[in-house]
Amino acid sequence: GAVVSQHPSWVICKSGTSVKIECRSLDFQATTMFWYRQFPKQSLMLMATSNEGSKATYEQGVEKDKFLINHASLTLSTLTVTSAHPEDSSFYICSARRGGGYEQYFGPGTRLTVT
Amino acid sequence: RKEVEQDPGPFNVPEGATVAFNCTYSNSASQSFFWYRQDCRKEPKLLMSVYSSGNEDGRFTAQLNRASQYISLLIRDSKLSDSATYLCVVNMGKKTSYDKVIFGPGTSLSVIP
Repeated sequence: GAVVSQHPSWVICKSGTSVKIECRSLDFQATTMFWYRQFPKQSLMLMATSNEGSKATYEQGVEKDKFLINHASLTLSTLTVTSAHPEDSSFYICSARRGGGYEQYFGPGTRLTVT
Repeated sequence: RKEVEQDPGPFNVPEGATVAFNCTYSNSASQSFFWYRQDCRKEPKLLMSVYSSGNEDGRFTAQLNRASQYISLLIRDSKLSDSATYLCVVNMGKKTSYDKVIFGPGTSLSVIP
């Protein structure tokens, strides 16, 4: 068990448009989901932590109005990159954690390219 | 000082070698610790949790020293398939509804035939 899916796996969009990325825990209920961003040859950077039914907690330097996170259910969290710009091009990865546990299970990631 | 630091690497080792990775963390309140591996352009996958008593899973052994705030991962009899980036992950535990998970920068391992 502990499978996490992400959709889409890759997306190309034009500058100024918005992109929504979905993260689903397929076989468990995720009380907490995390969103990360990874630039080439760099480590994962935590963007925000979201608990089901509450507002997400954003890391310093991450604009909450630009990266909208909705954790509407115990199996689904979405990240919307609003008014995307080329510098937002990155690998976005979500992870999910079961209630009571500390291990995180990662989705396969979404590669976003903004032209 | 960074919250989680790892050996800078890269490590290039021959097949069959034993290799050790080190990780230090700055926050003594950290609660749980993990090693993940990440293959190029893929998502991280949990390798093992790290417990104070130490734990072993086949060729992999993880150790935690809370007093020194130090975590290690030992890989014995390296295989070509072990080539990846190894990420040290520290979770500072739950604080009301928010807990902080920090990934180290990773150490790259290449196992050479």
